[in-house]
Amino acid sequence: QQQVKQSPQSLIVQKGGISIINCAYENTAFDYFPWYQQFPGKGPALLIAIRPDVSEKKEGRFTISFNKSAKQFSLHIMDSQPGDSATYFCAALIQGAQKLVFGQGTRLTINP
Amino acid sequence: GAVVSQHPSRVICKSGTSVKIECRSLDFQATTMFWYRQFPKQSLMLMATSNEGSKATYEQGVEKDKFLINHASLTLSTLTVTSAHPEDSSFYICSARDGSRDQPQHFGDGTRLSIL
Repeated sequence: QQQVKQSPQSLIVQKGGISIINCAYENTAFDYFPWYQQFPGKGPALLIAIRPDVSEKKEGRFTISFNKSAKQFSLHIMDSQPGDSATYFCAALIQGAQKLVFGQGTRLTINP
Repeated sequence: GAVVSQHPSRVICKSGTSVKIECRSLDFQATTMFWYRQFPKQSLMLMATSNEGSKATYEQGVEKDKFLINHASLTLSTLTVTSAHPEDSSFYICSARDGSRDQPQHFGDGTRLSIL
């Protein structure tokens, strides 16, 4: 019940295209859903996050779509650029419990 | 924004050596710090949670005598890998939570540990 399942494992998108990464969870107690971006040899950096009281959050080219009834959320990267090539992790958190539960990660490659 | 500094960024040492990794929160007080381990092309695996001034809480399967964690102040936590062996080679990442606000964890840039 603590798992967060992420797909796809890897994704190749052409420059200017839309990258979409999906995550699903089981535990309805999760109340905070961040996405992290990680470059090789670096730690994860918070990209964008959402709480379950909203269905969508947009920050620049990055959008989270959240479907509470389906227990799914996704990251959309619009106008994908080669600099977006990285590994992306979704995560979920129960605010009081502090522990982040990470998805398996998606290695995104944007071809120029 | 909040910054977490991790040092060293890379360590190469002989088998049997003990290695200490430091994690510092630079512009906030971190009541809670977390230590993760990440194998190549895999996700982050939580090893332990440390709260300032108290003993760390280890995840199931993590040897507390092998991975010593100290969180002596609100800005510093250390992870010591004792008597390291080649199988301990990995990417170790710390994160810190700002206790004054409901913030997500802020991550350090990791330490690449290679045991020969």
